[in-house]
Amino acid sequence: EVQLVESGGDLVQPGGSLRLSCVVSGFTINNNWMSWVRQAPGKGLEWVATIKQDGSEKYYMDSVKGRFTISRDNAKNSLYLQMNGLRAEDTAVYYCAREQLRNPWGQGTPVTVSS
Amino acid sequence: DVVMTQSPLSLPVTLGQSASISCRSSQSLVHSDGNTFLHWFQQRPGQSPRRLLYKVSIRDSGVPDRFSGSGSGTDFTLKISRVEAEDVGVYYCMQGSHGPWTFGQGTKVEIK
Repeated sequence: EVQLVESGGDLVQPGGSLRLSCVVSGFTINNNWMSWVRQAPGKGLEWVATIKQDGSEKYYMDSVKGRFTISRDNAKNSLYLQMNGLRAEDTAVYYCAREQLRNPWGQGTPVTVSS
Repeated sequence: DVVMTQSPLSLPVTLGQSASISCRSSQSLVHSDGNTFLHWFQQRPGQSPRRLLYKVSIRDSGVPDRFSGSGSGTDFTLKISRVEAEDVGVYYCMQGSHGPWTFGQGTKVEIK
């Protein structure tokens, strides 16, 4: 069974940092582009970042460039999102997904940025 | 960035009737490789999103054939035939042809 399990979300003050993890089982991520997508409370879906199979290409939405870093460890079948300089507008549930956001998605991990 | 515009944003439907959602993009979604990466997602209340259709009209595994997609270029449609109670939720179109990937605003489907 394919599963993606996100973790690492928390309540953090503005300017703080968090590292999100996505542990995958049921398939090997080294054949897949992987992405993070987020959803602010009561809002729609927003693509955040994508990384190529070998990590050689990374793409980010404009508002997180320079603050967020997507990475992967294929040996651990895991995806990460290092988030620095967090802002209130980064408050959201963060989901990981493979390829063109293929199913299944995980349950997401909530990030709240507030003082 | 490619802007995705959905309509309507709210769609009350009668059980057993059909429903259609329109999604328009600000530029053609034909990728340089010839594919059109236009996908549809469903998010039921309290659940994670799930992809229903990819590349305009291909149903994901386990998706009922009541869901169908059509369109090309900049104009796309999701049709739900014979709406059931389990179809209540928010539906999003998304383009993955041009970076950054972008979503429509979402269409909330509810039962009349």
